[in-house]
Amino acid sequence: DTGVSQDPRHKITKRGQNVTFRCDPISEHNRLYWYRQTLGQGPEFLTYFQNEAQLEKSRLLSDRFSAERPKGSFSTLEIQRTEQGDSAMYLCASSLAGTSYEQYFGPGTRLTVT
Amino acid sequence: QQQVKQSPQSLIVQKGGIPIINCAYENTAFDYFPWYQQFPGKGPALLIAIRPDVSEKKEGRFTISFNKSAKQFSLHIMDSQPGDSATYFCAAYIQGRALTFGSGTRLQVQP
Repeated sequence: DTGVSQDPRHKITKRGQNVTFRCDPISEHNRLYWYRQTLGQGPEFLTYFQNEAQLEKSRLLSDRFSAERPKGSFSTLEIQRTEQGDSAMYLCASSLAGTSYEQYFGPGTRLTVT
Repeated sequence: QQQVKQSPQSLIVQKGGIPIINCAYENTAFDYFPWYQQFPGKGPALLIAIRPDVSEKKEGRFTISFNKSAKQFSLHIMDSQPGDSATYFCAAYIQGRALTFGSGTRLQVQP
């Protein structure tokens, strides 16, 4: 399967701990997106990369959140000093730059902060 | 700020019925309007998309109707099946930006 993969699928952490998620996009896709989805809501944009450059960050992305895509392939999303409000599904998606309305999503990482 | 409003929140139809999901947008700069389908435990998957200069697009049993003057668009699912039971999201896209999603419609198709 050459789709978007995310790791881990589930993460339970205590408030105040740091967590890191990984996303491996479809190999030929140059754009990579991070979204957050809470129960009963649509995905909310966090940030996106074109190759290794981070082109846009949402106002939702507080300074506790950081994302990288060091070699333009996989990406990591780190949340420092987690809060209970960070509990959500974190989705990664990838696309080609020319057809970025067509995004391919991974299965997500479900974060629970206790 | 919710830029794409979606309704209804949930919908139950009988097999063979035609569920209709509606969305409205505010920003006339959007240049693509995709619909995504999401099953429990999975990420959203693209179903069908339309440009604002087209009034209708069909792909299989799925049809998008687009009303540019009213800034509204809708998804129709013909001959719905129990396997169509999922959450559906409308979205809007501006070239070079990310997708803006509606809040979702949970569809249940009863056998």
